[in-house]
Formats: sequence, structure tokens, C-alpha cells
Amino acid sequence: DIQLTQSPSSLSASVGDRVTFTCRASQSISSYLNWYQQKPGKAPKLLIYTASSLQSGVPSRFSGSGSGTDFTLTISSLQPEDFATYYCQQSYNTPPWTFGQGTKVEIK
Amino acid sequence: EVQLVESGGGLVQPGGSLIISCDASGFIFSSYAMNWVRQAPGKGLEWVSYISGSSSTKYYADSVKGRFTISRDNAKNSLFLQMNSLRDEDTAVYYCARDTLTLFDYWGQGTLVTVSS
Repeated sequence: DIQLTQSPSSLSASVGDRVTFTCRASQSISSYLNWYQQKPGKAPKLLIYTASSLQSGVPSRFSGSGSGTDFTLTISSLQPEDFATYYCQQSYNTPPWTFGQGTKVEIK
Repeated sequence: EVQLVESGGGLVQPGGSLIISCDASGFIFSSYAMNWVRQAPGKGLEWVSYISGSSSTKYYADSVKGRFTISRDNAKNSLFLQMNSLRDEDTAVYYCARDTLTLFDYWGQGTLVTVSS
């Protein structure tokens, strides 16, 4: 199975900060990497698909990049509603489709 | 508006069975594959099972293979997960998620399954 490792596991940041976190795959997954945001007690929400495509309705401050094994999610200017946990997910080839362990973004 | 509403969760003893459901609306249900994804308390997300729009293709995570069965009723716009031989480690919130080219673009609010004696 393809393993995804996210770093850091958590980070503290302030409103207005630029934040970047990473997702590394155990083997090449081309661009089949998606990012989700989850707030406490809520379902995950799709933010970015195929590494860099912004899901409809998602603010443009979110961006994704990468291919192969290394991927990043960047929030250009952190907003109060962005404090949440972010998960990457690979959708390469056949199942199992795996998730990273998550990066929790907390208020500094 | 796409809506997915799960139901059927609850408390079940180890070794027991439960069936959970997901009612879909706002899209042509039969045109989309569907998935179940679960989240144990305080933990991350785990993909559980996939079913194609026609039910011709089904996949399962190794952790549930042979114990869980995914199915759907396109006439009723409903998705199901039959869970047998439940274990403590199956305790989780179970989400149904619409599948668009193997990404999960819409999710339900989840239903909690607790396996405990």
C-alpha cells in the first residue's frame, strides 16, 4: 500500500501568516494527490485535487503543488476560519486509497 | 444541492452486526461511484470501501475485507454498509463520500458506530 507522510503534525501560526505543509508518498503517485480540510466535529471538505487544481468555491489563498512523491499545500494568508486539520489523500491506480495522518493548524 | 445523509449508527457488542445507510440527493446517484470512509475517535481518516455506480466493482480495505459488504440501491438513491463480526477497532464515525475520479468531492455528516460490551 502507498503510505503518505505529512509534516509537520501540527503548527502554530497567526492570522495573516503564510503557511506551507508537506505530504510525501512512499512511491510515485504522479499528480494523484488531493487535500482536504476538516474542522472539529465536521466532515472533511475537498480543497485541492490532482495536486494543484482548486475545488470550486475554495478561496484562492489555498494552493497546491508537487508531483511524484513530494507535495505541498500553501495558505497564502491564514484566516481565522482556516484553523483546522488538513489531510492529503492519494488516488493513484487501484485501492486502497490512503490518507496522510493530518496536519493540525492552531492559533499562535 | 448535493446532500448525503448517513444513518443507522449506534452501540453494538463485539462480534455483532450493524447496517448503516447513506441517502443521497441533488445529483444523479447512479452516475457516481461512492465510498465509505471512517474516522476513529481522535484519529485520522481511513478509506473503507468503494462501489461503482452500477455496483459491478467493489473494493474493500484489508482491515474490513470479509466482514463488511458495500451495496447500493440506485432506485432509492441509497448506499449501505453491512458490518459483521464487529471489533472494538471498528469504532468510528463512518462517512459516505461521493467519488469523482477517485477523489471525494462531497461528504455526509457521518454516523457514529461504537463497538463495546
